[in-house]
Amino acid sequence: GDSVTQMEGPVTLSEEAFLTINCTYTATGYPSLFWYVQYPGEGLQLLLKATKADDKGSNKGFEATYRKETTSFHLEKGSVQVSDSAVYFCALRSGGSYIPTFGRGTSLIVHP
Amino acid sequence: DTAVSQTPKYLVTQMGNDKSIKCEQNLGHDTMYWYKQDSKKFLKIMFSYNNKELIINETVPNRFSPKSPDKAHLNLHINSLELGDSAVYFCASSHRQGNYGYTFGSGTRLTVV
Repeated sequence: GDSVTQMEGPVTLSEEAFLTINCTYTATGYPSLFWYVQYPGEGLQLLLKATKADDKGSNKGFEATYRKETTSFHLEKGSVQVSDSAVYFCALRSGGSYIPTFGRGTSLIVHP
Repeated sequence: DTAVSQTPKYLVTQMGNDKSIKCEQNLGHDTMYWYKQDSKKFLKIMFSYNNKELIINETVPNRFSPKSPDKAHLNLHINSLELGDSAVYFCASSHRQGNYGYTFGSGTRLTVV
């Protein structure tokens, strides 16, 4: 079956540091890949997505590139802010199912 | 103009009670979902539903049941609440076809005492 593996958190950074959150997946066919963000006390929000190999999704300074050869979709941001503190979820949606598969989430804590 | 709205936001109740959580979406999506998020933030799909098909996660106790009066609503009814049911429950919706993402509600924090 499909699966998504994320690095365990929490990831703790100082403001303006570079962020990478690793995500790898296993899936049948060519899945669409997503990153969601959950701020404290809120639901998940779609952050970015990519639907085919080598696509780069980007939003709010975050980026992730669909790497088919390494089955990865790592999330990056060049300079994090305190307001980026949240839980980040990697997810996939494969062609055979419309129900997404989520990773376990990675908590990011950014200190001033 | 909230896209996916859930009520109530907080729900505290005693063991053995029956409760419902309501969900409504105004996005015109054809599929709705219920997720359970535990204290470690792990998301578990409970149900997905559109007007043709109900898919139930086989690990969900039959005390939980989705009820959909129409395409824009998917309520969650829980019978005989147990302590282990305490969690945050999220409703979500999407188009069944295509590479679209999902829109989540803001969650209902259920505490069973």
